[in-house]
Amino acid sequence: DAGVTQSPTHLIKTRGQQVTLRCSPKSGHDTVSWYQQALGQGPQFIFQYYEEEERQRGNFPDRFSGHQFPNYSSELNVNALLLGDSALYLCASILTGGSGNTIYFGEGSWLTVV
Amino acid sequence: RKEVEQDPGPFNVPEGATVAFNCTYSNSASQSFFWYRQDCRKEPKLLMSVYSSGNEDGRFTAQLNRASQYISLLIRDSKLSDSATYLCVVSRGSGNTPLVFGKGTRLSVIA
Repeated sequence: DAGVTQSPTHLIKTRGQQVTLRCSPKSGHDTVSWYQQALGQGPQFIFQYYEEEERQRGNFPDRFSGHQFPNYSSELNVNALLLGDSALYLCASILTGGSGNTIYFGEGSWLTVV
Repeated sequence: RKEVEQDPGPFNVPEGATVAFNCTYSNSASQSFFWYRQDCRKEPKLLMSVYSSGNEDGRFTAQLNRASQYISLLIRDSKLSDSATYLCVVSRGSGNTPLVFGKGTRLSVIA
């Protein structure tokens, strides 16, 4: 049973560029959340997708957008990258309405903006 | 003020020591409480949920005081393998409600 998988694991981008990160949820999970973890900080909630729609959003600018596909996988897009966007981006999945409420995290995508 | 505040680290303790982490949260609407463990350059992993009645899992004991909005984690008989960052986490609901993380407290257990 595959857990949450994310790609790429590491990438380097230049200020002003755009980046797309990908996530496949744990088998059977239909809800995907994205978190940003800057160095020395705890993860911060970006947004959550369920039934291909953004359902909840944290305090992040519109430069951060996402998408969920019919197979429940998800993408996080960040436009006009800033140096401060350098962070570990974590994807987490859960089954909405499921009997358990354990959230599973992927290993993350390390983004460095130079 | 951050929604979840934790002891600043790092904590450096010898093997076998008992170490306690403290955490406070500001949102009284918080409903679910957790401790996560995060190893260096890895994803956070659930260590244990925290209940008002307190709960224990082997060497780990978690306590919640809703009146004081305070959460604690006690690790007894520390092992080298306990070295990690411990994240205090709250949520306003259960299931798919977003998690709010503290900054984390780094623990180093020394031989």
